Parts: sequence; C-alpha cells; structure tokens
Amino acid sequence: LAKTTQPISMDSYEGQEVNITCSHNNIATNDYITWYQQFPSQGPRFIIQGYKTKVTNEVASLFIPADRKSSTLSLPRVSLSDTAVYYCLVGPTLYSGGGADGLTFGKGTHLIIQP
Amino acid sequence: DSGVTQTPKHLITATGQRVTLRCSPRSGDLSVYWYQQSLDQGLQFLIQYYNGEERAKGNILERFSAQQFPDLHSELNLSSLELGDSALYFCASSVVPQGAGANVLTFGAGSRLTVL
Repeated sequence: LAKTTQPISMDSYEGQEVNITCSHNNIATNDYITWYQQFPSQGPRFIIQGYKTKVTNEVASLFIPADRKSSTLSLPRVSLSDTAVYYCLVGPTLYSGGGADGLTFGKGTHLIIQP
Repeated sequence: DSGVTQTPKHLITATGQRVTLRCSPRSGDLSVYWYQQSLDQGLQFLIQYYNGEERAKGNILERFSAQQFPDLHSELNLSSLELGDSALYFCASSVVPQGAGANVLTFGAGSRLTVL
C-alpha cells in the first residue's frame, strides 16, 4: 500500500506557478503516480500520470525524483479557474491486479487561487 | 460531457428505503468503479468491476451491492438507507490497459442522494 501525504490546502495568486508535492514513501516498483483535479459537485478529472523523471502535457508537469518517494505536480501560470481539490494516487496498474490500494483517493489538496 | 452517464442526478428518499443508481461507462471502457463522497469522509472507493466481474473492493457496506451487466453498464444498490448515506455517488470507467495509461479513470457527473 503506497499511502500518500499531501498538504491539506494551499493558496496562490493568478499568474503564478503552483507546485503541489505528494509524499509516497512506500511506493512499489510497479506503482504509477496519477493526479486528478476536482471542482465542487463534479467528478474528479484526470490531469497527468507518470512513473519516473518528468512528464508534461498541455495542462501540467509532473516531476518525480529518482527514488520516486515523492512527486510534484506543477501548474504553470494559474488562474482563478484552477481553484479546486487536487488528488495524488499511487498504485499498480489495474490490469496487473492492483486491487483497491491504487484506487484510494486521500483528502487531497485544496488549492485556492486569488486575484 | 465525460462520456460516463449516471442516473439519476438527484434522488431524495427516506430512511429505510432502497435505491438503485445506474452508470453507463464510456464507450470502449471495460471497467467500472463506484465512489462515495460525503462532506466529512472525502472520496471513498467502494467497488470495481471489470468486464462483468468484481475486481476490487473498498469500503463498501454490506447494505450496498453492485453489479456490472453484459452490456457493461453497472448498478449500485443501496438498501436500508440511513441518514449517513447521504452523499454524492460517482461512477468512473477506464479501459484498463496494461502498463502506462492504466489507473486513468473517467468520472461521471455523480448522483446526489439525500436521505431524510
């Protein structure tokens, strides 16, 4: 079980870069790191997934150090619409019989963006 | 529109009653997941089905049951409802490929259950 620890809340200002770190000290060899975003009364939305080093897409970047015991979600130039809860999930691929551990969302990080 | 369809969107019922929530996964997705989200408990994983078979089980109460049908839609049955069952119930689906891309879930808009 790769339990995750994230900050409960963070705040920043429009136009800034925001980094949210997730700790997962017990990550296993076949575990992937996946981040989701959730707005109030909506289902979570997939943001990015990675295994090691750096992954970038049109929305965010994910930095994973060599020991993989943590990961950092980076949101460039945030806007008010980025105010949401961000979840970090760590677990084995479902196809390989990962079970419930990799599907467990923690409390997430409440990110508040101010003007 | 995420492609995952949940009905009903809202449901109000009384304690002791039974309700059924329905989920149609995104086209091509074989796996369905159910989550419960309440104000004090956060997002709780309930159960997962893959191609009709139960794959993983989370914190699902014995009063709750689910199944995935041959056409891949799923139903979550909640019985002997209690006030504490009031929550948003989300369904998600995934293709469940092997390797990279797995664990990428697409969530529906949710069903809001209010138990009075």
